[in-house]
Formats: sequence, structure tokens, C-alpha cells
Amino acid sequence: DQQVKQNSPSLSVQEGRISILNCDYTNSMFDYFLWYKKYPAEGPTFLISISSIKDKNEDGRFTVFLNKSAKHLSLHIVPSQPGDSAVYFCAASQGGGSQGNLIFGKGTKLSVKP
Amino acid sequence: EAGVAQSPRYKIIEKRQSVAFWCNPISGHATLYWYQQILGQGPKLLIQFQNNGVVDDSQLPKDRFSAERLKGVDSTLKIQPAKLEDSAVYLCASSHPSGGAPVTDTQYFGPGTRLTVL
Repeated sequence: DQQVKQNSPSLSVQEGRISILNCDYTNSMFDYFLWYKKYPAEGPTFLISISSIKDKNEDGRFTVFLNKSAKHLSLHIVPSQPGDSAVYFCAASQGGGSQGNLIFGKGTKLSVKP
Repeated sequence: EAGVAQSPRYKIIEKRQSVAFWCNPISGHATLYWYQQILGQGPKLLIQFQNNGVVDDSQLPKDRFSAERLKGVDSTLKIQPAKLEDSAVYLCASSHPSGGAPVTDTQYFGPGTRLTVL
């Protein structure tokens, strides 16, 4: 039973436009959510996170939105750049923000076309 | 600052053979994690160490997998004997609690070891 779901395996976006990656979760005990970015042959790299006490967190071109009632979060990348092409993993944890035992989704492959 | 180091990067073995992976975390990071990432899936936590003690090994198949972190620094993960379904990328990550509230101990991942079991 998947607790963190990324239902879109892939997404293609034109350079300069907005990329929106979605993630749903089922466990209402999750209180901390993260996005990781992964290039081929590299390990995942932390991108941005959000605590369940917030509904938005912004860092440069990246914004994460959290809708707790819908158990849904999304990552917005504006504007998208070719270097953003990677696999993006949504992850969640419970325990006050400690990242122990992160539960990952299956990932969404983002392709940004010049 | 050097990142998380892992070796080997690639390993091919026959089923029923043994294999070991090594991880050296970022200097000063007290917490170390081993993840298994099967193709098309997200990483799944196998074991978490705090210094040289095990915090969580609930998802480690203990009949064939073992891990140790004897001096609280580097760690090894062993599979004995390997099965076909163990083919995956094995990721090591480390973190150091920020001390802030809430604690946001970001995990930093190594490049992984790709294991193929034939």
C-alpha cells in the first residue's frame, strides 16, 4: 500500500513555462514533506520542504504548496529551465520534522524542452 | 565539504553469492541511512543508524541483509545470499540534526551502488 503517490510518471514542459508536479499521501500522521531531485547516476538531492503547519514554502524558482485537507502537495517551478530536467521525488515523514524513515513516492520525470 | 562516498558504484553477481557495499558519510554526520531503490520505485529505507546504534531496521530483511557502523563513522551493508529481487540501487545517506524547531535534519545522499543479480 503506497502511502505517498506520484501519479504522473512523466511531465514535459517548455522552457520558461511553469512546471507543476503533484503528490498525494494517505497517512494523516505525516507532518513533514520534502521534494528531492535526482539526475541519472547520482543520488537524490534535497530541493525544498514544508512542515504541516504551513501551506506554502518558497525558495527562488521553487514553491511547494500543501493542502492538508486534500492530502495533496505540489511543487511549482517557475520559470522552468532545461537544467531542471530530472526525476523529482516527493517524500513524507512523521515525527516533528525529523527526516528519519522518509517515505518516497515513485517519482516524476520532468523534461524541460528548450 | 566532501559528500557521501559509496563504493563500489556497480556490482554484478550471481544469485546466492554474497556482496558488500561501503559508505562513508559526510564528516560529523551522526545519522546514517541505507536505502534500496528498485527500478521505477522511490527509495525505501532499510536501516537507520544514530552514531553506531540502530534506530530503525524494521524494513531490513534480516535473514539475508546485515549492516554495521562499528565506529560511528563509515558503514557496510551486506547481502548473503543474494536473490534476483535484490537487484536495485543501494543508496547511503547521512544527516546531522540542525537543532532547530522543528528539526530539519536534511539527508544528503551518495551516488549509490547499482547491484545486478543474475
